[in-house]
Amino acid sequence: ILNVEQSPQSLHVQEGDSTNFTCSFPSSNFYALHWYRWETAKSPEALFVMTLNGDEKKKGRISATLNTKEGYSYLYIKGSQPEDSATYLCAFMDTGFQKLVFGTGTRLLVSP
Amino acid sequence: DAGVIQSPRHEVTEMGQEVTLRCKPISGHDYLFWYRQTMMRGLELLIYFNNNVPIDDSGMPEDRFSAKMPNASFSTLKIQPSEPRDSAVYFCASSLGVISGNTIYFGEGSWLTVV
Repeated sequence: ILNVEQSPQSLHVQEGDSTNFTCSFPSSNFYALHWYRWETAKSPEALFVMTLNGDEKKKGRISATLNTKEGYSYLYIKGSQPEDSATYLCAFMDTGFQKLVFGTGTRLLVSP
Repeated sequence: DAGVIQSPRHEVTEMGQEVTLRCKPISGHDYLFWYRQTMMRGLELLIYFNNNVPIDDSGMPEDRFSAKMPNASFSTLKIQPSEPRDSAVYFCASSLGVISGNTIYFGEGSWLTVV
């Protein structure tokens, strides 16, 4: 059973704060790591797909890094805005499977 | 494209009733996934199909759950009989090709409440 863990479980910050979350996954047989953003009542939306150790991806104020050797990825949000409030999910795939295993997510609330 | 389309969006049903959730994947996508989202367990993969063929149903909780994909544009997830612990958001998702480098696209979910 693949174990994907995310921390913290929830986070409450003020508008303008920068924040980051962690996704931990098995360090062996790495294939890909995905980040998704999910606002309640909407579809989870893909943010990044990362496949190489050392990958850094950026989309606006959101960026992510990947360390496959130690089995973790960080998601950073610079200058959080209320519209960033959502659950951020990471998902891992290893070389043995054609399916993504999701973490339980980090729920972010940004107050104005 | 309209994206992945799921129906119903919300359903409230009584324990013991049959529930059928429906999904239309994005045209041309050859993978279809059914996920269940709960507070306790997060997003769990129930079953996935490749070219309409079920590949892995190891996540299906028990015999009360069944899924079919009769053609490339339609899939159903059925729960019979339903129980209160089945209350969750059920997501359908689709992707093109092996998903290591490709994102999967989710529907908006079917919010099921079993009372």
